[in-house]
Amino acid sequence: AQTVTQSQPEMSVQEAETVTLSCTYDTSESDYYLFWYKQPPSRQMILVIRQEAYKQQNATENRFSVNFQKAAKSFSLKISDSQLGDAAMYFCAYRATQGGSEKLVFGKGTKLTVNP
Amino acid sequence: DAGITQSPRHKVTETGTPVTLRCHQTENHRYMYWYRQDPGHGLRLIHYSYGVKDTDKGEVSDGYSVSRSKTEDFLLTLESATSSQTSVYFCAISVRAGTGYGYTFGSGTRLTVV
Repeated sequence: AQTVTQSQPEMSVQEAETVTLSCTYDTSESDYYLFWYKQPPSRQMILVIRQEAYKQQNATENRFSVNFQKAAKSFSLKISDSQLGDAAMYFCAYRATQGGSEKLVFGKGTKLTVNP
Repeated sequence: DAGITQSPRHKVTETGTPVTLRCHQTENHRYMYWYRQDPGHGLRLIHYSYGVKDTDKGEVSDGYSVSRSKTEDFLLTLESATSSQTSVYFCAISVRAGTGYGYTFGSGTRLTVV
């Protein structure tokens, strides 16, 4: 079964600095999707970034970028120039497909605090 | 953006009572999901559906049932609510995003079982 591991329950960063959130996953598939979701206190789930495994280029979205290491099954999220509004829970997720169906498997999350 | 709404937004219920949560989408997306979120556990899949009357269990399905009689509606039922089912429940849909895939979530339902 596919699993997603986020080894950092909590992280903190100073405003304007850079922070990296870790994520590893386990799969036997060769083609798949990975996601990072942000959940602020409003509890809304917001897509931050998406990576398709067949693409060698790391995905970027403004201040957010990933370091996708397929062989190591690692998918870390880098937040540059951190802002107070980045404070939230961050979830790494893997799109699992088996037997013709699909589902999203989540890690346990990392709580990010941004200090002014 | 795919429209997805959950109801109710908050609910308090007593142990042993049945509870039904509703997820409604405004488009004809095939896959719909129910997750529960608990501190320290992230989001865990309860049940999912891949079409009308087609459903399957997730990793934490005990005590829950689902139904999908129309493409747009996916119902989650707690037949006899227990305190361990106090949680935040999210519905999600799988959508095509360009040539790939994405997932859109509802706003969540906070359920308290007393």
